[in-house]
Amino acid sequence: ETGVTQTPRHLVMGMTNKKSLKCEQHLGHNAMYWYKQSAKKPLELMFVYSLEERVENNSVPSRFSPECPNSSHLFLHLHTLQPEDSALYLCASSQDDRGTDTQYFGPGTRLTVL
Amino acid sequence: GNSVTQMEGPVTLSEEAFLTINCTYTATGYPSLFWYVQYPGEGLQLLLKATKADDKGSNKGFEATYRKETTSFHLEKGSVQVSDSAVYFCALSGKAAGNKLTFGGGTRVLVKP
Repeated sequence: ETGVTQTPRHLVMGMTNKKSLKCEQHLGHNAMYWYKQSAKKPLELMFVYSLEERVENNSVPSRFSPECPNSSHLFLHLHTLQPEDSALYLCASSQDDRGTDTQYFGPGTRLTVL
Repeated sequence: GNSVTQMEGPVTLSEEAFLTINCTYTATGYPSLFWYVQYPGEGLQLLLKATKADDKGSNKGFEATYRKETTSFHLEKGSVQVSDSAVYFCALSGKAAGNKLTFGGGTRVLVKP
């Protein structure tokens, strides 16, 4: 399998549930990202990991908890979410976290919070 | 801080029409500029990029030129196809903003046969 994969593709959860989103990249990249894409809003960068260290946390509520166990895998742990957290969550990777590096995106997880 | 402004859609065109999507930016320093495309049900894909002034990025018949004097990076295609229907995002990245990608709001393009 090549590129950036995300699972699950669709997730419906209640506000009291705990779930995790998974991202895997097969490109040998050193940097990975989580973005949130909501309707009628620009893409929002949530977290950046470089060489498994978190280098960016864009004022994201603590109900979102990222984990990067190695350079190929990135998780987003979810708990006690709100309906306004319903969105498409996109994972991306790049060779490094330099500005000129192309970011490669996964297909996203469509999250619905009831 | 950095920001990207692009025309709001939707843009509806007939097949073989000329497409222009305007993009202007505000940034300190010399950012890199990107166009990403998102087809229905998919993530974003890099369409083209330019890393310095006067560079022209091109791919799949699309072109955009990095214009520092007008802080613009307009996307153009001479003859669109139905398969070009998608959402197009202009973005920039630069050292002054920690190399983060800053996206515009996206422009939905619908090409009708």
